[in-house]
Amino acid sequence: EAQVTQNPRYLITVTGKKLTVTCSQNMNHEYMSWYRQDPGLGLRQIYYSMNVEVTDKGDVPEGYKVSRKEKRNFPLILESPSPNQTSLYFCASSLEGTPSTDTQYFGPGTRLTVL
Amino acid sequence: GQNIDQPTEMTATEGAIVQINCTYQTSGFNGLFWYQQHAGEAPTFLSYNVLDGLEEKGRFSSFLSRSKGYSYLLLKELQMKDSASYLCATYTGGFKTIFGAGTRLFVKA
Repeated sequence: EAQVTQNPRYLITVTGKKLTVTCSQNMNHEYMSWYRQDPGLGLRQIYYSMNVEVTDKGDVPEGYKVSRKEKRNFPLILESPSPNQTSLYFCASSLEGTPSTDTQYFGPGTRLTVL
Repeated sequence: GQNIDQPTEMTATEGAIVQINCTYQTSGFNGLFWYQQHAGEAPTFLSYNVLDGLEEKGRFSSFLSRSKGYSYLLLKELQMKDSASYLCATYTGGFKTIFGAGTRLFVKA
């Protein structure tokens, strides 16, 4: 089954404790992206990757890091989480960077709370 | 600048038709997405419009006017399961996608 998986699905942590949210897709997609979703603000792009070892900043990259060492995985790293990073995070992937009818597939989401 | 506006909430009756509007001001505009998102779930793709006009896909249709910076999503024969948030998003190339805050649709019996 074609899917994007994220782990963990729920996480409560404390300020300053490094964490990683994993994202994996089994569709051999080149393009992957991370979003955060906050009430009243919609989805905002954090980072995206166009292929292995190619990443770029989205609209809200501050406080986040990513890596793309292999095609299927795109982890999101919070080196020193702060309460303002409490949010719902989505990973997404697509075959190419150009939309078509086969567009972005979203993971199930990770709800992060930073105390 | 980048700005996308859509109503915060709408209510409609089962079996009826509802139109959700979206206006945008996006530099480098290439096309416009509509996504559906049920509470606590991931967004799912509904449509992507590049050219002006109406595209119909079953009960859902999406319209785009590039010159007016305007789109709408039309839902016909509303069902209770259509209660969800509907996200308008513009694509600006390099797969940079900018989302609006979403419209929460309530379908009542």
